Amino acid sequence: GDSVTQMEGPVTLSEEAFLTINCTYTATGYPSLFWYVQYPGEGLQLLLKATKADDKGSNKGFEATYRKETTSFHLEKGSVQVSDSAVYFCALMIYRGAGNMLTFGGGTRLMVKP
Amino acid sequence: EAQVTQNPRYLITVTGKKLTVTCSQNMNHEYMSWYRQDPGLGLRQIYYSMNVEVTDKGDVPEGYKVSRKEKRNFPLILESPSPNQTSLYFCASSLGSPYTGELFFGEGSRLTVL
Repeated sequence: GDSVTQMEGPVTLSEEAFLTINCTYTATGYPSLFWYVQYPGEGLQLLLKATKADDKGSNKGFEATYRKETTSFHLEKGSVQVSDSAVYFCALMIYRGAGNMLTFGGGTRLMVKP
Repeated sequence: EAQVTQNPRYLITVTGKKLTVTCSQNMNHEYMSWYRQDPGLGLRQIYYSMNVEVTDKGDVPEGYKVSRKEKRNFPLILESPSPNQTSLYFCASSLGSPYTGELFFGEGSRLTVL
Protein backbone atom coordinates (compact mmCIF):
# COMPACT_ATOMS: atom_id res chain seq x y z
CA GLY A 1 0.00 0.00 0.00
CA ASP A 2 0.86 3.65 -0.12
CA SER A 3 3.08 5.01 2.64
CA VAL A 4 5.02 8.09 3.65
CA THR A 5 8.18 8.08 5.76
CA GLN A 6 9.49 11.17 7.50
CA MET A 7 12.58 11.74 9.56
CA GLU A 8 11.93 11.38 13.24
CA GLY A 9 12.09 14.48 15.35
CA PRO A 10 12.32 16.59 17.17
CA VAL A 11 14.52 18.76 15.00
CA THR A 12 16.01 21.57 17.06
CA LEU A 13 17.57 24.54 15.29
CA SER A 14 18.72 28.03 16.12
CA GLU A 15 17.01 30.97 14.49
CA GLU A 16 18.25 31.68 10.93
CA ALA A 17 19.56 28.13 10.49
CA PHE A 18 18.88 26.11 7.34
CA LEU A 19 16.12 23.53 7.59
CA THR A 20 15.68 20.21 5.83
CA ILE A 21 12.99 17.70 6.77
CA ASN A 22 13.24 14.50 4.76
CA CYS A 23 10.22 12.78 3.28
CA THR A 24 10.13 9.70 1.07
CA TYR A 25 7.12 7.84 -0.23
CA THR A 26 5.96 4.53 -1.64
CA ALA A 27 3.01 4.55 -3.99
CA THR A 28 1.54 2.62 -6.87
CA GLY A 29 0.84 5.24 -9.48
CA TYR A 30 1.60 8.94 -9.62
CA PRO A 31 0.73 10.69 -6.40
CA SER A 32 0.30 14.33 -5.60
CA LEU A 33 2.52 15.35 -2.67
CA PHE A 34 1.84 17.75 0.18
CA TRP A 35 3.34 19.34 3.24
CA TYR A 36 0.96 20.27 6.02
CA VAL A 37 1.93 22.23 9.16
CA GLN A 38 0.37 22.01 12.60
CA TYR A 39 1.03 24.89 14.98
CA PRO A 40 0.57 24.25 18.71
CA GLY A 41 -3.07 23.76 19.64
CA GLU A 42 -4.32 24.06 16.09
CA GLY A 43 -5.43 21.84 13.23
CA LEU A 44 -3.29 21.13 10.21
CA GLN A 45 -2.90 23.69 7.45
CA LEU A 46 -1.74 23.09 3.92
CA LEU A 47 1.76 24.55 3.52
CA LEU A 48 2.60 23.59 -0.07
CA LYS A 49 1.99 20.94 -2.68
CA ALA A 50 3.28 19.49 -5.97
CA THR A 51 1.24 17.46 -8.39
CA LYS A 52 3.82 16.04 -10.80
CA ALA A 53 7.48 15.12 -11.08
CA ASP A 54 9.97 18.01 -10.91
CA ASP A 55 7.29 20.43 -9.67
CA LYS A 56 8.43 22.70 -6.87
CA GLY A 57 5.93 23.79 -4.25
CA SER A 58 6.69 26.90 -2.24
CA ASN A 59 5.06 29.04 0.43
CA LYS A 60 6.19 31.26 3.31
CA GLY A 61 9.85 30.68 2.44
CA PHE A 62 9.47 26.88 2.47
CA GLU A 63 10.16 24.82 -0.64
CA ALA A 64 9.90 21.18 -1.68
CA THR A 65 10.63 19.53 -5.02
CA TYR A 66 8.85 16.41 -6.27
CA ARG A 67 11.66 13.95 -7.10
CA LYS A 68 10.23 10.92 -8.83
CA GLU A 69 13.60 9.22 -9.28
CA THR A 70 14.27 9.20 -5.54
CA THR A 71 10.58 9.13 -4.50
CA SER A 72 11.21 12.09 -2.23
CA PHE A 73 9.68 15.44 -1.32
CA HIS A 74 12.05 17.02 1.18
CA LEU A 75 11.00 20.27 2.87
CA GLU A 76 13.57 23.09 3.02
CA LYS A 77 13.80 26.62 4.31
CA GLY A 78 16.84 28.83 4.12
CA SER A 79 16.43 30.69 7.41
CA VAL A 80 14.01 29.48 10.06
CA GLN A 81 12.28 31.68 12.61
CA VAL A 82 10.96 30.93 16.08
CA SER A 83 7.46 31.22 14.63
CA ASP A 84 8.19 28.20 12.39
CA SER A 85 8.15 25.92 15.43
CA ALA A 86 5.46 23.38 14.65
CA VAL A 87 4.87 19.79 13.55
CA TYR A 88 5.27 19.18 9.82
CA PHE A 89 3.48 16.37 8.00
CA CYS A 90 4.31 15.03 4.59
CA ALA A 91 1.39 13.42 2.72
CA LEU A 92 0.49 11.89 -0.60
CA MET A 93 -2.72 11.42 -2.51
CA ILE A 94 -3.61 9.20 -5.42
CA TYR A 95 -7.06 9.62 -6.89
CA ARG A 96 -8.54 6.16 -7.24
CA GLY A 97 -11.99 7.12 -8.40
CA ALA A 98 -13.85 6.02 -5.29
CA GLY A 99 -12.95 8.95 -3.12
CA ASN A 100 -9.63 10.46 -2.42
CA MET A 101 -7.55 9.65 0.60
CA LEU A 102 -4.53 11.44 1.95
CA THR A 103 -1.84 9.21 3.42
CA PHE A 104 0.17 11.05 6.06
CA GLY A 105 3.62 10.49 7.44
CA GLY A 106 4.20 10.38 11.18
CA GLY A 107 5.06 14.07 11.47
CA THR A 108 8.29 15.84 12.40
CA ARG A 109 8.39 18.33 15.24
CA LEU A 110 10.53 21.40 14.61
CA MET A 111 11.72 23.53 17.52
CA VAL A 112 13.48 26.81 16.71
CA LYS A 113 15.36 28.54 19.50
CA PRO A 114 16.07 32.28 19.55
CA GLU B 1 -14.83 33.41 8.32
CA ALA B 2 -14.32 30.06 6.60
CA GLN B 3 -13.88 27.40 9.22
CA VAL B 4 -14.38 23.85 10.42
CA THR B 5 -15.75 23.74 13.96
CA GLN B 6 -15.49 20.74 16.25
CA ASN B 7 -17.10 20.18 19.64
CA PRO B 8 -16.17 19.36 22.29
CA ARG B 9 -12.51 20.36 22.16
CA TYR B 10 -11.70 18.30 25.24
CA LEU B 11 -13.57 15.37 26.73
CA ILE B 12 -12.87 12.79 29.41
CA THR B 13 -15.28 9.89 29.52
CA VAL B 14 -15.51 6.32 30.75
CA THR B 15 -15.54 3.03 28.89
CA GLY B 16 -18.87 2.24 27.29
CA LYS B 17 -20.50 5.65 27.60
CA LYS B 18 -21.72 6.70 24.15
CA LEU B 19 -20.47 10.02 22.88
CA THR B 20 -20.69 12.18 19.79
CA VAL B 21 -18.11 14.64 18.47
CA THR B 22 -19.74 17.20 16.21
CA CYS B 23 -18.18 18.75 13.14
CA SER B 24 -19.58 21.61 11.10
CA GLN B 25 -18.16 23.51 8.13
CA ASN B 26 -19.41 26.75 6.57
CA MET B 27 -17.67 26.50 3.20
CA ASN B 28 -20.29 24.44 1.36
CA HIS B 29 -17.72 21.67 0.94
CA GLU B 30 -18.87 18.34 -0.41
CA TYR B 31 -16.09 16.23 1.10
CA MET B 32 -15.66 15.72 4.84
CA SER B 33 -13.47 13.35 6.78
CA TRP B 34 -12.45 12.30 10.28
CA TYR B 35 -8.87 11.53 11.31
CA ARG B 36 -7.26 10.44 14.52
CA GLN B 37 -3.75 11.53 15.45
CA ASP B 38 -1.56 9.35 17.62
CA PRO B 39 2.12 9.83 18.50
CA GLY B 40 4.43 8.36 15.87
CA LEU B 41 1.53 7.26 13.65
CA GLY B 42 0.63 10.56 12.05
CA LEU B 43 -2.96 10.99 10.99
CA ARG B 44 -5.09 8.01 10.11
CA GLN B 45 -8.42 8.34 8.37
CA ILE B 46 -11.46 6.95 10.18
CA TYR B 47 -14.36 7.71 7.81
CA TYR B 48 -15.02 10.06 4.98
CA SER B 49 -18.04 11.38 3.13
CA MET B 50 -18.14 12.52 -0.46
CA ASN B 51 -21.57 14.14 -0.11
CA VAL B 52 -24.86 14.00 1.76
CA GLU B 53 -25.87 10.43 2.60
CA VAL B 54 -22.60 9.08 1.11
CA THR B 55 -20.06 7.78 3.62
CA ASP B 56 -17.25 5.25 3.47
CA LYS B 57 -14.62 3.66 5.70
CA GLY B 58 -11.09 4.91 5.95
CA ASP B 59 -8.10 3.04 7.38
CA VAL B 60 -9.30 2.65 10.98
CA PRO B 61 -13.14 2.62 11.12
CA GLU B 62 -13.61 0.00 13.86
CA GLY B 63 -15.53 1.32 16.85
CA TYR B 64 -16.79 4.45 15.08
CA LYS B 65 -19.90 5.50 13.21
CA VAL B 66 -20.68 8.59 11.16
CA SER B 67 -23.64 10.14 9.44
CA ARG B 68 -24.06 12.84 6.81
CA LYS B 69 -27.64 14.05 6.83
CA GLU B 70 -26.75 17.63 5.97
CA LYS B 71 -23.93 18.99 3.85
CA ARG B 72 -22.41 21.09 6.62
CA ASN B 73 -22.40 18.51 9.44
CA PHE B 74 -20.47 15.27 9.87
CA PRO B 75 -20.67 13.93 13.43
CA LEU B 76 -18.42 11.15 14.72
CA ILE B 77 -20.14 8.68 17.02
CA LEU B 78 -18.45 6.35 19.49
CA GLU B 79 -21.20 3.94 20.54
CA SER B 80 -19.13 2.19 23.22
CA PRO B 81 -15.80 3.96 23.70
CA SER B 82 -12.77 2.01 24.83
CA PRO B 83 -9.40 3.21 26.14
CA ASN B 84 -7.69 2.51 22.79
CA GLN B 85 -9.86 5.27 21.33
CA THR B 86 -8.08 7.83 23.48
CA SER B 87 -6.67 10.13 20.85
CA LEU B 88 -6.73 13.54 19.21
CA TYR B 89 -9.44 13.71 16.56
CA PHE B 90 -9.61 16.04 13.59
CA CYS B 91 -12.43 16.78 11.22
CA ALA B 92 -11.53 18.08 7.78
CA SER B 93 -13.36 19.21 4.67
CA SER B 94 -12.63 20.10 1.08
CA LEU B 95 -14.30 20.70 -2.23
CA GLY B 96 -15.40 17.29 -3.48
CA SER B 97 -14.38 17.72 -7.03
CA PRO B 98 -11.74 17.90 -8.19
CA TYR B 99 -9.99 15.93 -5.51
CA THR B 100 -7.14 18.27 -4.82
CA GLY B 101 -6.01 16.97 -1.45
CA GLU B 102 -6.33 20.46 0.02
CA LEU B 103 -8.06 19.83 3.30
CA PHE B 104 -9.31 22.38 5.82
CA PHE B 105 -8.98 21.08 9.36
CA GLY B 106 -10.79 21.83 12.57
CA GLU B 107 -8.83 22.59 15.73
CA GLY B 108 -9.12 19.07 17.07
CA SER B 109 -10.94 17.25 19.84
CA ARG B 110 -8.86 15.56 22.50
CA LEU B 111 -10.67 12.53 23.86
CA THR B 112 -9.64 10.50 26.89
CA VAL B 113 -11.45 7.24 27.64
CA LEU B 114 -10.85 5.87 31.14
